[in-house]
Formats: sequence, structure tokens, C-alpha cells
Amino acid sequence: SSELTQDPAVSVALGQTVRITCQGDSLRNYYASWYQQKPGQAPVLVIYNQNSRPSGIPDRFSDSTSGNTASLTIAGAQAEDEADYYCNSRDTSGNHVVFGGGTKLTVL
Amino acid sequence: EVQLVESGGGLIQPGGSLRLSCAASGFTVSSNYMSWVRQAPGKGLEWVSVIYMGGSTYYADSVKGRFTISRDNSKNTLYLQMNSLRADDTAVYYCANGGWIQPHYFDLWGQGTLVTVSS
Repeated sequence: SSELTQDPAVSVALGQTVRITCQGDSLRNYYASWYQQKPGQAPVLVIYNQNSRPSGIPDRFSDSTSGNTASLTIAGAQAEDEADYYCNSRDTSGNHVVFGGGTKLTVL
Repeated sequence: EVQLVESGGGLIQPGGSLRLSCAASGFTVSSNYMSWVRQAPGKGLEWVSVIYMGGSTYYADSVKGRFTISRDNSKNTLYLQMNSLRADDTAVYYCANGGWIQPHYFDLWGQGTLVTVSS
């Protein structure tokens, strides 16, 4: 299996752009997906399959991948975007799933 | 309505067993990658197990040999049989639908069921 590494915490001023990164060897072979989780709630998928957004996810959420690093970008962060964000992927064996440790996003 | 509803959590003593259920509606469990994901109190998400459409199953190293994932196609329900439970298995357990593209694209989650392992 392999690991995915995220920064524990990131902050952004209201209305500004923020990038949350996710590093891991498996990202060279598999696209990451990204999840938003607010306190007491189940996670919600926000990005999957190379920058696809599920219905209802605002287009201010986007992602990109370069080498072993995936990045979730929130353009014009809103107060309601304050949450924990997790990336995940298949591991290098392809048979397991791995999550990053999560990034707590604070909107100032 | 498309949804997942977990049940079966509770307080269990170390070494005990518990079976979680996840009833699906609005889609067919056997036509999707289905996983269990857990979250210990105050911690991050941890993938536990997946069952593929063809029936293949895979487990995180932390639960391999103790947990078994299965499904009942007639009931459209996913299960997680948990044996030899330990204190570090204490978590909210979510079932998650991975769709049909990749097993890790969890586009639908249940509300979670809390498992507490304690004497």
C-alpha cells in the first residue's frame, strides 16, 4: 500500500483562492478524489475523475495533478467552505484505497 | 431516493463480534464498488474494505483476517462482519458507494453508525 500526505491546516481570506495539496506515489497512476466534511456530518464528494464535479458542487472547486501531487483549488472561498478536506486514491497495488490525513480549512 | 442507511453499531466488549448492515435504495449494490470507511473520534477517514461488482474483496491491513465484507443482492444490502474487536476499532463506520468508474470515487455515503469497543 501507499500513503497520501496532506498539510494538516490551511487558512484563506474570504473571497480569496486557496490550494490544498495531496502527495503520494499512487497519484502517478490514479486520479485523486476529494471530500469535504463538516463537523458531525458524513463526507461529501466534491471532485473525482480528473476534475469532475458531482451535481450540486459549485464550480469554484477544481483540481489538477502534476507528478505525484494532486491539488484541490477553491477559487473565491466562501464561509461555507470551512471544513475538513480529504483526498483519496487507489494505492500502488491498485486493490486498496488510501485516504490522506485531511486538511482543516479555515476561512478568515 | 438514492440513499444508504447503516445499522448495527453499538457498544461491544474487546474480543467481541458485531455485524454492520448498509441498506441501499435507488441503485443496485451489486453493480457498484461498495466500501466501508471508518473514522475514529477526532481522527481522519480510514478505508476499511471494498467489494467489487464481481465479488472480489480487499481489506486494510489493520482489519484483514478479522473483518469480512459481503452483500446480499436480494436485499440490496452491504454487510461488514467484525470479529475479534479491539479498542482501536472504535469509530463511526460509513458505507460508501464507489460507483462503477473507480473504487475510490465515493459519491454516496451513509449517515454512519458508531461502534464503541470498550469493557
